[in-house]
Amino acid sequence: DIQMTQSPASQSASLGESVTITCLASQTIGTWLSWYQQKPGKSPQLLIYAATSLADGVPSRFSGSGSGTKFSFKISSLQAEDFVSYYCQQLYSTPWTFGGGTKLEIK
Amino acid sequence: EVKLVESGGGLVQPGGSLRLSCATSGFTFTDYYMSWVRQPPGKALEWLGFIRNKANGYTTEYSASVKGRFTISRDNSQSILYLQMNTLRAEDSATYYCARELGSYAMDYWGQGTSVTVSS
Repeated sequence: DIQMTQSPASQSASLGESVTITCLASQTIGTWLSWYQQKPGKSPQLLIYAATSLADGVPSRFSGSGSGTKFSFKISSLQAEDFVSYYCQQLYSTPWTFGGGTKLEIK
Repeated sequence: EVKLVESGGGLVQPGGSLRLSCATSGFTFTDYYMSWVRQPPGKALEWLGFIRNKANGYTTEYSASVKGRFTISRDNSQSILYLQMNTLRAEDSATYYCARELGSYAMDYWGQGTSVTVSS
């Protein structure tokens, strides 16, 4: 199985700042990587697919980069509603696997 | 509008069975792979398996943690996805989500989730 190591597990930041979350795959996955946002008590919402493509309706302050084994997810100019949890997921080979998640907290 | 609505969760004793349903609408159900994902309280997401679309013969794949105990099926006439869960264990307690796959690039639509608690 492909292991997805996501870091950091939690991060504090201020409104308006930028943050970057990293996912490392245990083997190359090309660009078969997606990023999700999950608000408390809600289902995940797709933000980024194919490593860099923004899902429909997702604000442009969210972006993704990377290929192979190292991927990054960036939120520019944090808004209050962005302080929730984020997950990466590989869809290169089954079983699809998720990272452990990153929880953003307001500093 | 794409909608996915899970149902069927609840409290079940260890060793028991439960069938979850995911009623879908707003898209051509047979065109899509459909997945089940779960999330124990306070923990990360875990993919359980998927069922392929019509073009790929509605075949299934499962994670090792549920293979042999859980079965994914679909009623294409009613656009409903199912998850049959047998021999349930305490560690199966979680919120269970169904999700539509965007051509294996991602899961683009998710249901609201249904909670399963396995306890005596």
